[in-house]
Amino acid sequence: DTAVSQTPKYLVTQMGNDKSIKCEQNLGHDTMYWYKQDSKKFLKIMFSYNNKELIINETVPNRFSPKSPDKAHLNLHINSLELGDSAVYFCASSRRVAGEVYEQFFGPGTRLTVL
Amino acid sequence: AQSVTQLDSQVPVFEEAPVELRCNYSSSVSVYLFWYVQYPNQGLQLLLKYLSGSTLVKGINGFEAEFNKSQTSFHLRKPSVHISDTAEYFCAVSDQLGRGSTLGRLYFGRGTQLTVWP
Repeated sequence: DTAVSQTPKYLVTQMGNDKSIKCEQNLGHDTMYWYKQDSKKFLKIMFSYNNKELIINETVPNRFSPKSPDKAHLNLHINSLELGDSAVYFCASSRRVAGEVYEQFFGPGTRLTVL
Repeated sequence: AQSVTQLDSQVPVFEEAPVELRCNYSSSVSVYLFWYVQYPNQGLQLLLKYLSGSTLVKGINGFEAEFNKSQTSFHLRKPSVHISDTAEYFCAVSDQLGRGSTLGRLYFGRGTQLTVWP
């Protein structure tokens, strides 16, 4: 009964390739996110979607394009991969617990290695 | 914007010893506070959260944290750790501005690696 799932778990690819990471949540949440965790384990938000609408778009290169076909899915497509894109990418979804407080549930992560 | 400082990048302790992981935040507005745990090769799991009310918050696995507004701190504690507590711990904040556009956006600290030795 995985709540937030991501595929693939590991992704190894060459520089310049285009790749996608898929995320699905079965929690019925309206809001989903992509985070990037660098080699020093620092976590930073990249994007947030609410009901398929882009809400947060951090200063991420436009080679990264999120796509939300429905509110249970938020995929991340990356064009022209660079060495610096190597990281662990986490998908999350959230529910409102009170007022403007959202509790986030994270997927297991996708470890991307660019060679 | 908010910022979160976790003062210790690594905390080694022996099994059954008490532990405190420190977290300070910087914000011009009231915030909500969270601690997450990341076990090796896994995603993040919520340990506990402070929204309002009592400043002492209890979470899962015997952890607790105390919100101190005057010191802008939210330190995580456990009176007796187990080897299974070895993991990376992240403090995070979300502001209370109530703007729908933030949608619970979290700002994370850089994490504290807790290593419990037998």
